[in-house]
Amino acid sequence: DGGITQSPKYLFRKEGQNVTLSCEQNLNHDAMYWYRQDPGQGLRLIYYSQIVNDFQKGDIAEGYSVSREKKESFPLTVTSAQKNPTAFYLCASSGVTSTDTQYFGPGTRLTVL
Amino acid sequence: GQNIDQPTEMTATEGAIVQINCTYQTSGFNGLFWYQQHAGEAPTFLSYNVLDGLEEKGRFSSFLSRSKGYSYLLLKELQMKDSASYLCAVRRTGANNLFFGTGTRLTVIP
Repeated sequence: DGGITQSPKYLFRKEGQNVTLSCEQNLNHDAMYWYRQDPGQGLRLIYYSQIVNDFQKGDIAEGYSVSREKKESFPLTVTSAQKNPTAFYLCASSGVTSTDTQYFGPGTRLTVL
Repeated sequence: GQNIDQPTEMTATEGAIVQINCTYQTSGFNGLFWYQQHAGEAPTFLSYNVLDGLEEKGRFSSFLSRSKGYSYLLLKELQMKDSASYLCAVRRTGANNLFFGTGTRLTVIP
């Protein structure tokens, strides 16, 4: 089945620790995205990548880092510099034309204790 | 800058019709998307408008007026499973990414 996988679904970390969230897609999409969702705030763009080995900051990139070494994978690291890391993190992918739709993975709920 | 306004919550009755409005102000516009999101789940794509007018897809229709910066999502013959949040998002020009509104939580009651 084609799709986007994120693991784990729930993740707990202690304050001050870095944590990496995985995102894998087998849709052969060139573009991948990371969003954060907080209650009442909708989705906010963290980072995006339109091609392997290249990525751009979104609206709230501070405290996060990404890599895009393979077309299928776009891991997100939440660093200790992120002030409020507890949130629901969603990965998405799409083609790169203007009409392409973004498709989302199931999300990872990160709780920092 | 960008801004999208949607009502925070709406309630409608099973079998009825509901219209969810979205107004936007963006420096560049390259299409508007509607997504459905059930609690704790990923958003799923509903519709895409880039030209003015109405797009119909089964029980769901979406309308766009670019000159007014306005869109709406129309849901007909409401079912209990339509209880979800509905997200309006604008594709930004040049960057091929989406800017989302805060979403409208729809509750369908019997």
